[in-house]
Amino acid sequence: NAGVMQNPRHLVRRRGQEARLRCSPMKGHSHVYWYRQLPEEGLKFMVYLQKENIIDESGMPKERFSAEFPKEGPSILRIQQVVRGDSAAYFCASSPPDRAPYEQYFGPGTRLTVT
Amino acid sequence: KNQVEQSPQSLIILEGKNCTLQCNYTVSPFSNLRWYKQDTGRGPVSLTIMTFSENTKSNGRYTATLDADTKQSSLHITASQLSDSASYICVVGHGGATNKLIFGTGTLLAVQP
Repeated sequence: NAGVMQNPRHLVRRRGQEARLRCSPMKGHSHVYWYRQLPEEGLKFMVYLQKENIIDESGMPKERFSAEFPKEGPSILRIQQVVRGDSAAYFCASSPPDRAPYEQYFGPGTRLTVT
Repeated sequence: KNQVEQSPQSLIILEGKNCTLQCNYTVSPFSNLRWYKQDTGRGPVSLTIMTFSENTKSNGRYTATLDADTKQSSLHITASQLSDSASYICVVGHGGATNKLIFGTGTLLAVQP
């Protein structure tokens, strides 16, 4: 059973470009979480999704950021018109349905660098 | 405000020695407390999860304690190994419907030969 997969592992974008980060959860997991880790800081919650639904996006910046988890395919975190402050490691985690306390399994992360 | 604070920020110990990392939290409502290990450049890996009713849990050489009254937790590592060098993160699960996780900034542990 493969773990949580994220790609790309490293992504370089110029200011103003778009960044698309992908996350494939573990088999059988229907819950996906996205976190951002800025340099020298702890992980911060961004968004929680289930298949085709955004459950909690209270950690997402109001502009330029969006996330989806379609019925088929990976979850996508999309950042439009990137700025230098978006440079960070973005981690995805997945958890199985209906199991408290919802153990979350993390992927290796995507390191975004905005030049 | 929901916060998780860890101490020390960093720690250097010799191989074979024991150490204890501390965590204080102000998360309400509380659901659970987890300790994760994060190697440089990797995602966090779960070591232990404790709910309100548990006050200790072990995973090999790692033992976590939880005092829900004082809102404190500790992670004790015995007989440290070079591979224990990593960041150890205390994470509290918020008791709301979405089980949001609140992360501490971690303790960076370096085990030296």
